[in-house]
Amino acid sequence: AQKITQTQPGMFVQEKEAVTLDCTYDTSDPSYGLFWYKQPSSGEMIFLIYQGSYDQQNATEGRYSLNFQKARKSANLVISASQLGDSAMYFCAMREAGLFNDYKLSFGAGTTVTVRA
Amino acid sequence: GAGVSQSPSNKVTEKGKDVELRCDPISGHTALYWYRQSLGQGLEFLIYFQGNSAPDKSGLPSDRFSAERTGGSVSTLTIQRTQQEDSAVYLCASSFGTGLYEQYFGPGTRLTVT
Repeated sequence: AQKITQTQPGMFVQEKEAVTLDCTYDTSDPSYGLFWYKQPSSGEMIFLIYQGSYDQQNATEGRYSLNFQKARKSANLVISASQLGDSAMYFCAMREAGLFNDYKLSFGAGTTVTVRA
Repeated sequence: GAGVSQSPSNKVTEKGKDVELRCDPISGHTALYWYRQSLGQGLEFLIYFQGNSAPDKSGLPSDRFSAERTGGSVSTLTIQRTQQEDSAVYLCASSFGTGLYEQYFGPGTRLTVT
């Protein structure tokens, strides 16, 4: 079963506007972490933001905020005031203990964001 | 301090040859992970090390794949008798430990099997 689902393969956004990237997840573990990574065309994976399952408040990091709806198992990323440099692939990922307590990351398929001038 | 480094950055090899990919994690990070990213796809977990031990090898695609870690630091991913379907970007990540810490990724090794 898919642990992380990102339903938007690609999105276009106008510069300076906000964009929301959808992410839903599936786990039975009460303790888990949700991460968003950015992967520009250069290929590096850049950590953006983290939300713990027990965190009461939604995480924010500069222009990035995470809309965490635990009951719906949803962790959408909001990028405010989009910039041309935000054009990249964005991955939602979840970390949980798993069978081996390895806390490996399970990734979604990604969403490509293209910011238009 | 220095981030996660990987070498080589690019590797082109002929089908049937063996290749070794190297990962040097952030100093002090005890957990090390290998992932594979095929063209335009998300990341697929391969193997994880806690210290020098690899308790979870469930993600290795076949017995042609193996990995080791020495001194709780550098890790090597070896692919024997490479096949064209092995072509991908191999990413290494390290973490302060297991648990809900960020994983920091290296720049990856792009492997092309011709």
